[in-house]
Amino acid sequence: GAVVSQHPSWVICKSGTSVKIECRSLDFQATTMFWYRQFPKQSLMLMATSNEGSKATYEQGVEKDKFLINHASLTLSTLTVTSAHPEDSSFYICSARRDATSYEQYFGPGTRLTVT
Amino acid sequence: GENVEQHPSTLSVQEGDSAVIKCTYSDSASNYFPWYKQELGKRPQLIIDIRSNVGEKKDQRIAVTLNKTAKHFSLHITETQPEDSAVYFCAAKDTNAGNMLTFGGGTRLMVKP
Repeated sequence: GAVVSQHPSWVICKSGTSVKIECRSLDFQATTMFWYRQFPKQSLMLMATSNEGSKATYEQGVEKDKFLINHASLTLSTLTVTSAHPEDSSFYICSARRDATSYEQYFGPGTRLTVT
Repeated sequence: GENVEQHPSTLSVQEGDSAVIKCTYSDSASNYFPWYKQELGKRPQLIIDIRSNVGEKKDQRIAVTLNKTAKHFSLHITETQPEDSAVYFCAAKDTNAGNMLTFGGGTRLMVKP
C-alpha cells in the first residue's frame, strides 16, 4: 500500500508554454501533498504544501502565480508550471501524507521537465 | 524554521566496510527523522526512520542513532555492498511548520567492489 504516481514521467516543452504535472495517491487518501524541486546533484527543495480543498502554502521564494497548485480531491494534486523558461528545467517530485498525524510521506517517481 | 546539515557530501568505501553519515538539526521540537535512499533519476525511498522517543533503531545492515541533546542523528550501514551506492538524504520533521520534512543536502555513497 501507499503508492504515489506522477504523470508524465518526463516532458519537454518550449519556452513560454505551460506544463501540468499530476500527482496521485493510488491506494490511500492524502489530505496533504507536497511538491519538491530537485536540481542535478542537489537536495529536495520544498516548493509548496497543498491540503485538499484549500489553497497551497508556498515556500519563500517560490512564485505562486508561476507554479499553480491545485488539490481538488484526496487523491489528486496538480502542479502547473506557467510560462516555463529554461531555468525551470528540473526534476519535480511530489509526496503525499495520509493525515496530519501521519509521520511518513510517500514519494512519487518524479517528473523530469526540460524547457527548450 | 528547521535547518538540517548533512556530512559528508560524498563518501567512498570498499565493499564490506561500514559507512556512516551524520546529520544535525536546529529545531529542538523536531520529533521524526527519516533517511531516504535515492538512485539516479528515481524517487527517494524510505530506508529507516526514528522518532524522538527512541535513541537507536536497527534494521538488518542499517541502523540509525539519535542524540536529542546534541541534535544530531546518524545513519550506519554495515557490510556495504555495491548496490548500496546511491545518494542518501536525512530529514527532520519540523513540527512548528505544518509538519513538513526538511531535507539535508545529501551524501553520495560509492561502494567499490
